[in-house]
Amino acid sequence: DVKVTQSSRYLVKRTGEKVFLECVQDMDHENMFWYRQDPGLGLRLIYFSYDVKMKEKGDIPEGYSVSREKKERFSLILESASTNQTSMYLCASCSRTNEQYFGPGTRLTVT
Amino acid sequence: SQQGEEDPQALSIQEGENATMNCSYKTSINNLQWYRQNSGRGLVHLILIRSNEREKHSGRLRVTLDTSKKSSSLLITASRAADTASYFCATVLDVTGTASKLTFGTGTRLQVTL
Repeated sequence: DVKVTQSSRYLVKRTGEKVFLECVQDMDHENMFWYRQDPGLGLRLIYFSYDVKMKEKGDIPEGYSVSREKKERFSLILESASTNQTSMYLCASCSRTNEQYFGPGTRLTVT
Repeated sequence: SQQGEEDPQALSIQEGENATMNCSYKTSINNLQWYRQNSGRGLVHLILIRSNEREKHSGRLRVTLDTSKKSSSLLITASRAADTASYFCATVLDVTGTASKLTFGTGTRLQVTL
């Protein structure tokens, strides 16, 4: 079975802090994605990566950056956390048949 | 931007009944997928239907796709309490290029009661 893990299930950070969310997949997938999920808005794509060191902006990249130094690891970085970045963050990797496999999510609260 | 819109937003049925959820989208697609999310968890892929397919089955799930109406439906037959979850449709516009991005709808919350 494909496994996608995220470094934390719950995280509380203060405004202005730099926040790292880590995601690791074990299926050698090339494509990886970061989403945030908010009530009434569904899942929105922040960034995705189609290869090591390659990245592309999604629909809402502002305030975020990403890093993909190794194929299995895709990190989401909040350079200076703000309260409007309080959300559920979901990482996914994608098979060659287009199916996405999701991690359990990180619920981030910024106070 | 939202590509898929699910209908209804919430659905409550009794165990054993069938549940039908609908999804409408705006542009031409390569394929459409349905996902399930239990409360507070990640999404789980259920089924994928390609634009040249009209119907697909997987266990108690049946998915239809009408590209002329830009709509899809997910039918869960003989529902169980364990089917309680949110269900999302997601569309893939283009499988060429760098990566196949999914665009998700806002989901249908299904409650199955005993």
